[in-house]
Order: sequence, then structure tokens, then C-alpha cells
Amino acid sequence: EAGVTQFPSHSVIEKGQTVTLRCDPISGHDNLYWYRRVMGKEIKFLLHFVKESKQDESGMPNNRFLAERTGGTYSTLKVQPAELEDSGVYFCASSQDGRPNTEAFFGQGTRLTVV
Amino acid sequence: SQKIEQNSEALNIQEGKTATLTCNYTNYSPAYLQWYRQDPGRGPVFLLLIRENEKEKRKERLKVTFDTTLKQSLFHITASQPADSATYLCALVTLISNFGNEKLTFGTGTRLTIIP
Repeated sequence: EAGVTQFPSHSVIEKGQTVTLRCDPISGHDNLYWYRRVMGKEIKFLLHFVKESKQDESGMPNNRFLAERTGGTYSTLKVQPAELEDSGVYFCASSQDGRPNTEAFFGQGTRLTVV
Repeated sequence: SQKIEQNSEALNIQEGKTATLTCNYTNYSPAYLQWYRQDPGRGPVFLLLIRENEKEKRKERLKVTFDTTLKQSLFHITASQPADSATYLCALVTLISNFGNEKLTFGTGTRLTIIP
């Protein structure tokens, strides 16, 4: 069974450009999460989808970030326009039922560098 | 303010010894605490989960304790091996709604190196 897959693995863009990250969760997992780790800091929650609905987007840093999950399958995270402080590793995770005692499966991450 | 601290940024342990990692938190009331392993260039991988009413959990060479009075979790790897070298992350789960809050709040991690 395929795990959580993220594309691309690396992205280098200039300040002001737009970047779209994609996450394919494990098939059948209704719950999808985005996290981010900026240099030297801990991994921080961005948002949580249940199917195609945003359950919690309290961690989204500002309105330059837009997450979508059309059809409740894969998800995209768009940063527009990108700023230098957006650099970091963006992780996607999925879980089957979203209960707090449920294991979350993480993707390998997308390393975003804004120059 | 809320804070999760893991004892040290890096820890070196001789092969065969027990590695003990610490996770301390303040101003949280977690219902669950999870431990993850992360290798370079990879995402975190779930290892163990312990509930607030559990004192100890074991899985093979791994043991986790959870003391809600001390606000601390200890993560032990017995008979450590070089393959155990990785960054270990603790993560809290706090319940804030009837739906449950599945979001994880991570510590900064401890980079463990097992020396042959």
C-alpha cells in the first residue's frame, strides 16, 4: 500500500512567485493535515481537512496560504505570493478516522526555499 | 505561555546502553502523548502513543512513561543500536471539541546518535 506522497520534494522559487504543493494521502483516509517546519523550529500545525471540508485552519499563517482538497482526495497548498519567511519543510499527514488516539502517517515533506 | 521542551538537542549513547529522552510541557493538558522518529529527509514516523491515564507503554525495545503531575514523558530505547540513530519527536494531543482535536503539537526533537 502506498504511503502519503508529496510533490515536489524540493522547490526553489523567487520571492513574489507562486508555488503549489501537492499531497496524496493514503487511500481511504478522510483526515488530511498540513504541517510546516521552519529552520530551527518545531513542526507546526497548519490545517486539517475531513474529506473536502476544512475542520481546523487555525495554524495557517496568513491569507497568502490557500489549501484545497477537492473531492476529498488529494490536497494542494498554494503560497501566493511567496515570502522569504515561508521557507521550510512542509509535511502532509493523513489518518483514517481522525480520533486523537489514531496514528498519523506523514509524507516525506516538500522542502521550499524562497530566495 | 505554552511550551514543549525535549531535554537536549543532541544525545550520544554507546551501543547497547539505554537511551532516555525527555519531553516536558507547560500549560498544556494533553489527553495523549505520541512519540515519533524522524530520519533525515523523511517525514516523522509514529512509534508509540500513551494516554493521560496510562503510566507506561512498551513496544519491543521501546518504553514510554507519562507523568501528568510532573508534566513529563520519558522515552527509553533499551539495548540501543546504531540503527536507532535518528531525531525523536514528542507530540501532544489536546482535546478541544466533541470531534476531538487530532492536531499534533510537536516538541523540537532530540537528535540521538548511537555510537558503535
